[in-house]
Amino acid sequence: DADVTQTPRNRITKTGKRIMLECSQTKGHDRMYWYRQDPGLGLRLIYYSFDVKDINKGEISDGYSVSRQAQAKFSLSLESAIPNQTALYFCATSRTGRAAFFGQGTRLTVV
Amino acid sequence: DQQVKQNSPSLSVQEGRISILNCDYTNSMFDYFLWYKKYPAEGPTFLISISSIKDKNEDGRFTVFLNKSAKHLSLHIVPSQPGDSAVYFCAASAGGGNKLTFGTGTQLKVEL
Repeated sequence: DADVTQTPRNRITKTGKRIMLECSQTKGHDRMYWYRQDPGLGLRLIYYSFDVKDINKGEISDGYSVSRQAQAKFSLSLESAIPNQTALYFCATSRTGRAAFFGQGTRLTVV
Repeated sequence: DQQVKQNSPSLSVQEGRISILNCDYTNSMFDYFLWYKKYPAEGPTFLISISSIKDKNEDGRFTVFLNKSAKHLSLHIVPSQPGDSAVYFCAASAGGGNKLTFGTGTQLKVEL
């Protein structure tokens, strides 16, 4: 089983719909992150969390929200999806904030 | 403002030769640097890292060089193998490393 599991792996949704991407980890790390990858833009940080009560905005948090339900679970929500949120989304965990371990990604398409 | 830059979107190298991937950064507060490799349909995986107190770190076929005065790092792969074909991201963190800032990636293709 993967250390960092993302669900769903693929999702197509309509503009204006609410969607949640889920991430769970078995690595026991306190730090969890959500990134999105776009062609030519690399990986950009959306939100990160150091523990259940600590949530921080990344560089592109507008249009997104997160919930840290437990040490092992960190979900990303798009309250009202728009087409330019079509991207590959990655969840990651880290023990130290240095090296991060990534999930396999969720490919989200907003039509 | 792209603080970590990989100016070559793609690189093609013959099997057995050296691959050199480059990365430049602008934030002088960065003190820890990493390289990640990403295959299609998979998440990035950690490859190698270097602290700013060093100028070289080696792990098997992979060596990372850091030139702090030029704010430049490079990843050398010797010898290159077809299985090395992937997208390579450099990343950096500052003081304590709360988060990573990634470059835009370089697609490496190792040809037979």
